[in-house]
Amino acid sequence: EAGVTQSPTHLIKTRGQQATLRCSPISGHTSVYWYQQALGLGLQFLLWYDEGEERNRGNFPPRFSGRQFPNYSSELNVNALELEDSALYLCASSKGQGGEKLFFGSGTQLSVL
Amino acid sequence: DQQVKQNSPSLSVQEGRISILNCDYTNSMFDYFLWYKKYPAEGPTFLISISSIKDKNEDGRFTVFLNKSAKHLSLHIVPSQPGDSAVYFCAASGGMSGYSTLTFGKGTMLLVSP
Repeated sequence: EAGVTQSPTHLIKTRGQQATLRCSPISGHTSVYWYQQALGLGLQFLLWYDEGEERNRGNFPPRFSGRQFPNYSSELNVNALELEDSALYLCASSKGQGGEKLFFGSGTQLSVL
Repeated sequence: DQQVKQNSPSLSVQEGRISILNCDYTNSMFDYFLWYKKYPAEGPTFLISISSIKDKNEDGRFTVFLNKSAKHLSLHIVPSQPGDSAVYFCAASGGMSGYSTLTFGKGTMLLVSP
């Protein structure tokens, strides 16, 4: 069974540009979560999608947005990139709600120059 | 305001000895706690969890202890093995944030030397 897959592995952008990160959950999982891990910090919760709907959002500005597609895959979009957006972005999936046991992908390393 | 704190950025232990990783939380509404392990270039993987109705949970070499009055939990690894070398994240859920989103600590890097 394939795990959570994320693409691209690495992404380099310049300040002010937009970044799009993609995530495919484990087959059968309907919930997708996005976390940011900036250098020296823990995983910060960004967004939670379930059944195509945004269910919860962390303390991030509106330029962080995303969506979940009918096949449960998800996209994270970061607009007007700032230098401090440089981080590892991790996607996780779980079966339905109550995602206390999350299965994480390997992440997308975003570098903003 | 960090609600889950792992005050030791790193820990070094010899193979065969006990590793004790600590975690403190400030939100008294948290009632479910988890530990995740992360190797370089990989995503975190679930290790062990504990509900607030328990004070101990064991799974093989891994035991998590919860002290609710002190808002403190610890992960014990006995015996430690070189393959345990990784970053360990403590996480909590419950209360206003519900059970579907986790609040993580900054992690503790464990190095187990042969």
